[in-house]
Amino acid sequence: RKEVEQDPGPFNVPEGATVAFNCTYSNSASQSFFWYRQDCRKEPKLLMSVYSSGNEDGRFTAQLNRASQYISLLIRDSKLSDSATYLCVVNPTSGGYQKVTFGTGTKLQVIP
Amino acid sequence: DAMVIQNPRYQVTQFGKPVTLSCSQTLNHNVMYWYQQKSSQAPKLLFHYYDKDFNNEADTPDNFQSRRPNTSFCFLDIRSPGLGDAAMYLCATRETGTNYGYTFGSGTRLTVV
Repeated sequence: RKEVEQDPGPFNVPEGATVAFNCTYSNSASQSFFWYRQDCRKEPKLLMSVYSSGNEDGRFTAQLNRASQYISLLIRDSKLSDSATYLCVVNPTSGGYQKVTFGTGTKLQVIP
Repeated sequence: DAMVIQNPRYQVTQFGKPVTLSCSQTLNHNVMYWYQQKSSQAPKLLFHYYDKDFNNEADTPDNFQSRRPNTSFCFLDIRSPGLGDAAMYLCATRETGTNYGYTFGSGTRLTVV
């Protein structure tokens, strides 16, 4: 089993739709979690951290389920500009420098 | 405003000709990382520096070396680039003791001809 697995893409959704991505992780001791957004041929950019209680930032909601070892990202009212690849990132420690593990990403294409 | 700066953005090198990629940061973060990312793949960690301590990943080829002369700068040296080394190389920084994610530079896209 891969350390971090993401939904296979691509997801093609119409503007205004709600879309959700899941990401599962194998290390139950993992401490911190992030969603990154990566546009084509650009660097990954932090979208949001994922907190135990779940957190929301505008149209984006992130959830963590430690029991089932997955995190999710929900995007409401999708915009064309949301088209990108979304990378799930898992850190085995909180605040440490140990290497994090990236998922391979889920590609989202929002269609007019 | 750029906080992690990579130069150059695009680099073309000849097969077997040594090449150096550079990364600088204005964040004063104590950890710097080099990642290699190929098309449609996750970024792959090559090595990282925790302050001056160098940490190499077990599967990083010997062809790849790194230097960190001070907090702000980190270099990736590819001694003899092969066609398989063509990729995007990403530098990232992080401050330990925080729960913030990484800050990435804009990357250097390396082409080997």
